[in-house]
Amino acid sequence: AQKVTQAQTEISVVEKEDVTLDCVYETRDTTYYLFWYKQPPSGELVFLIRRNSFDEQNEISGRYSWNFQKSTSSFNFTITASQVVDSAVYFCALRVTGSARQLTFGSGTQLTVLP
Amino acid sequence: SAVISQKPSRDICQRGTSLTIQCQVDSQVTMMFWYRQQPGQSLTLIATANQGSEATYESGFVIDKFPISRPNLTFSTLTVSNMSPEDSSIYLCSVVGQDGGYGYTFGSGTRLTVV
Repeated sequence: AQKVTQAQTEISVVEKEDVTLDCVYETRDTTYYLFWYKQPPSGELVFLIRRNSFDEQNEISGRYSWNFQKSTSSFNFTITASQVVDSAVYFCALRVTGSARQLTFGSGTQLTVLP
Repeated sequence: SAVISQKPSRDICQRGTSLTIQCQVDSQVTMMFWYRQQPGQSLTLIATANQGSEATYESGFVIDKFPISRPNLTFSTLTVSNMSPEDSSIYLCSVVGQDGGYGYTFGSGTRLTVV
């Protein structure tokens, strides 16, 4: 069975600070995909990134960066120079290959960026 | 990526009644999923909607309570039957494209309040 753990329930930072959201996953599959989604107060889920298990390169997209480490089963997400608009719930999710393509979500981290 | 129109966006319903949620996609997709997000919680998969066959339900969810239809490759409905206050949640549909899942797309969600 798959499991995703986001130990940080809530994080509060002041604008322009850097913040890292942690994600630890468990799976016995060797091929899998990891995702991050953002859920603003409006409720929709916004896709941020997908990473497959064979690609351990870190990725940067503007103020966002992701650190994937298979050795520690972690896929952490860093926001640099945070902004108030970054305030949202962030979910990490896992999908294994095979016929069942649904996502297993972590419990989410509520990020609040204060002005 | 696919664009999803989910309706209604929100509703307040009396206990004992039923509500049907619609999910329309702007392109043909292989798999559609229905998730529930209870207040302050993560997303939990209800079922996978299969075109031309019965939906596949996850543990804890039954067809009598959450009947699903998938008449074609672009449309699905989820009905929440005989509602109680415990059914108050956000319900989201999600799709996987023909390429096998590059960035799952979610509908904007339906906020259901049962009184």
